[in-house]
Amino acid sequence: GAGVSQSPSNKVTEKGKDVELRCDPISGHTALYWYRQRLGQGLEFLIYFQGNSAPDKSGLPSDRFSAERTGGSVSTLTIQRTQQEDSAVYLCASSELSTQYFGPGTRLTVL
Amino acid sequence: AQSVTQLDSHVSVSEGTPVLLRCNYSSSYSPSLFWYVQHPNKGLQLLLKYTSAATLVKGINGFEAEFKKSETSFHLTKPSAHMSDAAEYFCVVSEFSGGYNKLIFGAGTRLAVHP
Repeated sequence: GAGVSQSPSNKVTEKGKDVELRCDPISGHTALYWYRQRLGQGLEFLIYFQGNSAPDKSGLPSDRFSAERTGGSVSTLTIQRTQQEDSAVYLCASSELSTQYFGPGTRLTVL
Repeated sequence: AQSVTQLDSHVSVSEGTPVLLRCNYSSSYSPSLFWYVQHPNKGLQLLLKYTSAATLVKGINGFEAEFKKSETSFHLTKPSAHMSDAAEYFCVVSEFSGGYNKLIFGAGTRLAVHP
């Protein structure tokens, strides 16, 4: 079946602009995660959604970052007033049980 | 809090020779452990996982890992490297926090395979 998809695959933006990144999880998966991967590093947890429960936002690095999940399916991660240190690959994952399945990521470059 | 240490940032092997990627973890209880692989410009793919069943775990593409509680290690091995194995490998521990399993990633090991 279809895996996790993310769009766009690449995004180049200017410092100070807002960006929206989209994640389509595997159908039927109730849990959805966002991670950030800086160049040459492992993944940093950003936010977790489970069904209709309040999300765990404990990993969001600043109030410029926000995410929502509509109808328990598609999720968007929004970064406002982007900074150069926001440049990274943003990965989305979904799961039903303990195993997380990852999308291909969105590579964000802030000039 | 749990953590993961991947002991080598880069490993280089010749095609056909064994692969060893080292991982140590810290955990206050019996953890769930994973190895993921990331090929260039691709998403993360699950190689294998340990969830307190057999200590020797077999994964895809001929990889396996052995959970050693006494050494707090979960090293990834493969008897014979293939060129297509060149990728970034992440050792991951699962931490149950806030009602769900949060993944804690190691910094990654880049595997290069030479002809």
